[in-house]
Amino acid sequence: KAGVTQTPRYLIKTRGQQVTLSCSPISGHRSVSWYQQTPGQGLQFLFEYFSETQRNKGNFPGRFSGRQFSNSRSEMNVSTLELGDSALYLCASSTNQETQYFGPGTRLLVL
Amino acid sequence: QQQVKQSPQSLIVQKGGISIINCAYENTAFDYFPWYQQFPGKGPALLIAIRPDVSEKKEGRFTISFNKSAKQFSLHIMDSQPGDSATYFCAAKAAGNKLTFGGGTRVLVKP
Repeated sequence: KAGVTQTPRYLIKTRGQQVTLSCSPISGHRSVSWYQQTPGQGLQFLFEYFSETQRNKGNFPGRFSGRQFSNSRSEMNVSTLELGDSALYLCASSTNQETQYFGPGTRLLVL
Repeated sequence: QQQVKQSPQSLIVQKGGISIINCAYENTAFDYFPWYQQFPGKGPALLIAIRPDVSEKKEGRFTISFNKSAKQFSLHIMDSQPGDSATYFCAAKAAGNKLTFGGGTRVLVKP
């Protein structure tokens, strides 16, 4: 089976812009979770989608949003980008409520 | 509030030695404790995981020890190899798919 794929792998944006990141889960996985990884804050949970519904949400501002499509692919959107949004954004998929498999991440740089 | 505390932040071990990483948690609702390995430029990869009804789990050179009463768990890497040089994260999960991560430990195995 192919692993979790994320596109794009690298992205450079300027403050105030918005960005959309995409995640394709492992075939058959219906749960997709998003995490932000920074040197200062580590790995932090953003949100989880299951069957097109947001099931869990972390402590991030409303500028961070997501959605999931009927084929389980997920997108994450960040509006009005700030310098502090520069991070590695990781997507993880799961078929149950235990093992989560991570993708390679999208590295976002906000200038 | 950091719910999972990980130590040390970094460690250096000689080839063939034992690497030990410790984690402590606060939330007694956590019922699943995975360890992830991350190489530069890659997403975290699941190494081994344990549930609190088991005190120890071994997979190859990797062993998790779990102390429910102390709310602590640790990863032991036996016969450490240069290829084990990576960052290791402990994590914990209650119901749902939200993983709470420790701060990470950078391991360097010297040949």
